[in-house]
Amino acid sequence: KAGVTQTPRYLIKTRGQQVTLSCSPISGHRSVSWYQQTPGQGLQFLFEYFSETQRNKGNFPGRFSGRQFSNSRSEMNVSTLELGDSALYLCASRKPGQGYEQYFGPGTRLTVT
Amino acid sequence: AQSVTQLDSQVPVFEEAPVELRCNYSSSVSVYLFWYVQYPNQGLQLLLKYLSGSTLVKGINGFEAEFNKSQTSFHLRKPSVHISDTAEYFCAVTRNTGGFKTIFGAGTRLFVKA
Repeated sequence: KAGVTQTPRYLIKTRGQQVTLSCSPISGHRSVSWYQQTPGQGLQFLFEYFSETQRNKGNFPGRFSGRQFSNSRSEMNVSTLELGDSALYLCASRKPGQGYEQYFGPGTRLTVT
Repeated sequence: AQSVTQLDSQVPVFEEAPVELRCNYSSSVSVYLFWYVQYPNQGLQLLLKYLSGSTLVKGINGFEAEFNKSQTSFHLRKPSVHISDTAEYFCAVTRNTGGFKTIFGAGTRLFVKA
């Protein structure tokens, strides 16, 4: 069974630009969560989507948004990029009702210059 | 609110020696406990989980962890480590009350020396 895929794997953007990251969950997994990983703050929860609805959100500014499509694929968008947004963005999928464990993709490394 | 504390940021150990990575948590609601491992330039991989039942859980690669409710701990152990175990290990708590949410500890870098 194919794992969680994230595209692109690496991205370089300039301050003030916006970016869209994509995540394709494991087939049959309808829940997708996003995390930001930085050396200083560690792994921080951004949001979770289930059946195209955002069910929970972490403490991030409104510049961070996401959505989920009917095929469970998810995108996250960051507008007006800041240098501090440089991070590894991880997506994780799970199948609600089957154990709560999450399956992570390899991440997208975003560098803001 | 939930929080997770991993008591050691780095743990150096010699190959074939035992290791324990410590994790303490706090939560006002019922949570589920996990250990994940992250190898360089990769995402996280599930090592083991505690949902309910036996407090000693076994995971992949010879790792095990013990849930201690009174001490709110979930320490990870391995009796004999290998060079290939060098990685970052994350303890995590997940709640499903008021929305699914996972909080991770800061991570412990395990460095296995030959």
